[in-house]
Amino acid sequence: GENVEQHPSTLSVQEGDSAVIKCTYSDSASNYFPWYKQELGKGPQLIIDIRSNVGEKKDQRIAVTLNKTAKHFSLHITETQPEDSAVYFCAASYSGGGADGLTFGKGTHLIIQP
Amino acid sequence: GAGVSQTPSNKVTEKGKYVELRCDPISGHTALYWYRQSLGQGPEFLIYFQGTGAADDSGLPNDRFFAVRPEGSVSTLKIQRTERGDSAVYLCASSLFDTDTQYFGPGTRLTVL
Repeated sequence: GENVEQHPSTLSVQEGDSAVIKCTYSDSASNYFPWYKQELGKGPQLIIDIRSNVGEKKDQRIAVTLNKTAKHFSLHITETQPEDSAVYFCAASYSGGGADGLTFGKGTHLIIQP
Repeated sequence: GAGVSQTPSNKVTEKGKYVELRCDPISGHTALYWYRQSLGQGPEFLIYFQGTGAADDSGLPNDRFFAVRPEGSVSTLKIQRTERGDSAVYLCASSLFDTDTQYFGPGTRLTVL
């Protein structure tokens, strides 16, 4: 089955700086890669996703890049703000036109230092 | 509109007891998923429903775990003879059939004493 590795487990950055979280996956058939943000006591919230037919996607301060050959993808957050502090999870799945269960990484605790 | 809702938000039970956890998906979403999240870990897939049928139950850890979705909307996750190792947050998510985006509920925190 799919295996997703995520690094780092904790990331501390100064407010206004950029943050990068990296993930690798094992199953070359995976073609859908979402990123979720989880705040304490809440469920995961989708922040951005990318499919294997594109290499990069951007939404305001958030961007995701995908390298299918190397089987890795990354989340980039620019101009970090205190409200960005949370746990971030990457995930991967294969979806042949329908829905599928996601395989998650172990998460990155992002801390924004004021 | 309303998001995915889960009840109860917290459930404390004793070892050996039976529990039911409920999920109300987003209206119109035909796909529904259950995940389990242990402390400090990412969510772990348990089971996926497409309509009323379980399309993939490969993540259920053993036969003490069972889930139903009789009318293709609300789903119930049932755990028999609970064990302390079952303590976790149980998350439900839903999605439209033709898209992959899964929207999660707030979860039910299960504590087995």
